[in-house]
Amino acid sequence: GIQVEQSPPDLILQEGANSTLRCNFSDSVNNLQWFHQNPWGQLINLFYIPSGTKQNGRLSATTVATERYSLLYISSSQTTDSGVYFCAGNTGNQFYFGTGTSLTVIP
Amino acid sequence: DAGVTQSPTHLIKTRGQQVTLRCSPKSGHDTVSWYQQALGQGPQFIFQYYEEEERQRGNFPDRFSGHQFPNYSSELNVNALLLGDSALYLCASSSFRDGGNTIYFGEGSWLTVV
Repeated sequence: GIQVEQSPPDLILQEGANSTLRCNFSDSVNNLQWFHQNPWGQLINLFYIPSGTKQNGRLSATTVATERYSLLYISSSQTTDSGVYFCAGNTGNQFYFGTGTSLTVIP
Repeated sequence: DAGVTQSPTHLIKTRGQQVTLRCSPKSGHDTVSWYQQALGQGPQFIFQYYEEEERQRGNFPDRFSGHQFPNYSSELNVNALLLGDSALYLCASSSFRDGGNTIYFGEGSWLTVV
């Protein structure tokens, strides 16, 4: 199966700081997505970004499909940004997830 | 617009017992996938159902089985529970007609096996 590597595994930020999360895939995937998992376990869709760049408020994402990686940018972080961030991509019907980046934003 | 709903949210079972988890997909979606997420890990694909049939299966034993109903809802059954089955079980729905590009998750079912 496809291996998904996310970095960094853990990140602690002061409120207001910026950060970049990275996701590398061992092989080409389709339909790359970024998710935020809240403390109750639900995975919230952030971006559907198979290629290119998208922005949504303080968050933006860039995927370079030819090099099999994606980046998630968080600007002016807030305490509500805390949680675990996952990227995932699929081949066929199966989505492959990384082990996530655990983000803690402290006031 | 109803999102993906799962039940129950939490349950505790004894080793060797059987459990059934339920999922209703997002309105307009026809495909349901199940994932297992162990503590500190990313979700792992169990299987996917479309048109009431299992389309693809991940690396899980036959103790894990599923079903999809005509209204697109789905069940995940796990027999002969092991301590290692303790995890968050996530249901994801998508639309085959739309190419299954985007998956949406429910809040999950937390299973503890004691």
